[in-house]
Amino acid sequence: DAEITQSPRHKITETGRQVTLACHQTWNHNNMFWYRQDLGHGLRLIHYSYGVQDTNKGEVSDGYSVSRSNTEDLPLTLESAASSQTSVYFCASSLDLAKNIQYFGAGTRLSVL
Amino acid sequence: EDQVTQSPEALRLQEGESSSLNCSYTVSGLRGLFWYRQDPGKGPEFLFTLYSAGEEKEKERLKATLTKKESFLHITAPKPEDSATYLCAANQAGTALIFGKGTTLSVSS
Repeated sequence: DAEITQSPRHKITETGRQVTLACHQTWNHNNMFWYRQDLGHGLRLIHYSYGVQDTNKGEVSDGYSVSRSNTEDLPLTLESAASSQTSVYFCASSLDLAKNIQYFGAGTRLSVL
Repeated sequence: EDQVTQSPEALRLQEGESSSLNCSYTVSGLRGLFWYRQDPGKGPEFLFTLYSAGEEKEKERLKATLTKKESFLHITAPKPEDSATYLCAANQAGTALIFGKGTTLSVSS
């Protein structure tokens, strides 16, 4: 079955370190999204991509970057991790923007100490 | 400002006690209103999309409805396995989804 997988599921890192979270989908969806979920804020968009070589900033993009070299993967990089980036991160993908039904991965819980 | 507001934040029901969750939105260029279910430690799971006022969709004990300003998720005769956080999201002009903060539903037997 097609799916979307995130790795690692849990990560502990130190402030200042570079961290990359992986997202891989096998649906051949063009659109991919990264969100963070925090208590009291709900899901907030970090970055998104509409296809290979396309990336766009979302609502809370400062301190994060993404790159899209193929259809299946959209890795999220924290350039220099900060304690404020402790959160649960979700990746999602959608087939088309007209309906934009997004399917989510299981999430990565990141702790920055 | 575009936003989605869900109420109540938390809801406790007895098994079989029907109720409704509310999602109000102020979003320009709305292209669809989504409902997701999220279980602890998991990603959101897609339930419904509604595209126009008056539209209704059903799945088992859940029914979603849409007006020009609100959407409701009606839960009929809930069971303990319906316990989860329910998220509402608005699709703005086919780009990002704007999520509400969710309603956490607890159903006790």
